[in-house]
Amino acid sequence: DAMVIQNPRYQVTQFGKPVTLSCSQTLNHNVMYWYQQKSSQAPKLLFHYYDKDFNNEADTPDNFQSRRPNTSFCFLDIRSPGLGDAAMYLCATSRDQGGQGKSNQPQHFGDGTRLSIL
Amino acid sequence: QKEVEQDPGPLSVPEGAIVSLNCTYSNSAFQYFMWYRQYSRKGPELLMYTYSSGNKEDGRFTAQVDKSSKYISLFIRDSQPSDSATYLCAMRSRITGGFKTIFGAGTRLFVKA
Repeated sequence: DAMVIQNPRYQVTQFGKPVTLSCSQTLNHNVMYWYQQKSSQAPKLLFHYYDKDFNNEADTPDNFQSRRPNTSFCFLDIRSPGLGDAAMYLCATSRDQGGQGKSNQPQHFGDGTRLSIL
Repeated sequence: QKEVEQDPGPLSVPEGAIVSLNCTYSNSAFQYFMWYRQYSRKGPELLMYTYSSGNKEDGRFTAQVDKSSKYISLFIRDSQPSDSATYLCAMRSRITGGFKTIFGAGTRLFVKA
């Protein structure tokens, strides 16, 4: 089945130790998103890639970076995790064409990576 | 004021009841409206996707959009214990270069057998 796959499901890292979360998709969608979701809160968009173009949200800390080496894969790098970065990180994909709404499709999510900071 | 408001619940109903979940919003530019279901420790799963005002039905689920009131609803008929989850509304508007999506904080639903 076509899907969005996130690895690992659970990640534990130490305070200040860099960590990378990965996302892959078989949907061939051109847009990939990273969200942070804390308990009982709405998912918060960190950034997204529209094809190869990186789009950062204004309030995303510099501590968070992303890479998209090809259509199928996208990575979230947290350079120096703090205790406040413990959360569920969700990857999502969608197919958007030209911003004209001609083929606007909703986002499809992976099951997330739950990040704990020691 | 948040762009999207959603009552966090929890909402507890007996099996077989009709469930009504709601969101209000303030941005009249929203054009696309979604409902997601999120089970514990899982990612959101798309349930319903509608464009502009009106109703859309899919099995036991009906999504309703009232743009004049800036109000959307999700109705679940014949609710089942397996419907117990958090339900997130989401709304999308067109912006320069693409789209912006805003999520509600989610309503926790418990369906008792």
